[in-house]
Amino acid sequence: GENVEQHPSTLSVQEGDSAVIKCTYSDSASNYFPWYKQELGKGPQLIIDIRSNVGEKKDQRIAVTLNKTAKHFSLHITETQPEDSAVYFCAAQRYQGGKLIFGQGTELSVKP
Amino acid sequence: DAGVTQSPTHLIKTRGQHVTLRCSPISGHKSVSWYQQVLGQGPQFIFQYYEKEERGRGNFPDRFSARQFPNYSSELNVNALLLGDSALYLCASSLLAGVPLNTEAFFGQGTRLTVV
Repeated sequence: GENVEQHPSTLSVQEGDSAVIKCTYSDSASNYFPWYKQELGKGPQLIIDIRSNVGEKKDQRIAVTLNKTAKHFSLHITETQPEDSAVYFCAAQRYQGGKLIFGQGTELSVKP
Repeated sequence: DAGVTQSPTHLIKTRGQHVTLRCSPISGHKSVSWYQQVLGQGPQFIFQYYEKEERGRGNFPDRFSARQFPNYSSELNVNALLLGDSALYLCASSLLAGVPLNTEAFFGQGTRLTVV
């Protein structure tokens, strides 16, 4: 069935360090992989995404990598800042514009 | 430009009651999806509507229904509320146009439903 596993569930880093969150998806037909940041009391905010025809994408301090063969994708945040503290969700989409299957979330805490 | 707007932001209902949640998508977006997010978990897909037609349905009971209006706004209805329906209900809008197809989904702030 359709499933996305996300690890770790909690992650604590010192300000300035890097943070990595990993996801594994089960549906090999998935071709779009967005990442969302959710702050307390707010809806998820799209921060970066990647499509299956690309192996890596970077936007300033944030990067995402995709390994289609292994069905893994990861979020990398460099030079973390306290304002990066939030819950991060990965998701996978099977067909264009269809439903998103979300991971369980990673609570990132960046300590000053 | 206004983002996705949802109303109300908070709601308290009694078991057995009915609730209607509303969503206005980003201007120009024709697709609206609804998700349920239980505390501590990722959002779970409930419905997707595109051009006023149901495009997908998640694994939720028939007590859940939705519709999309000509102006692309949407309503989610839940009948015979159960305690387990307490959650954050999220609406997401997508453009679903362009080449390549723009499928980015943007979420509203959600409606926090508490069933007592």
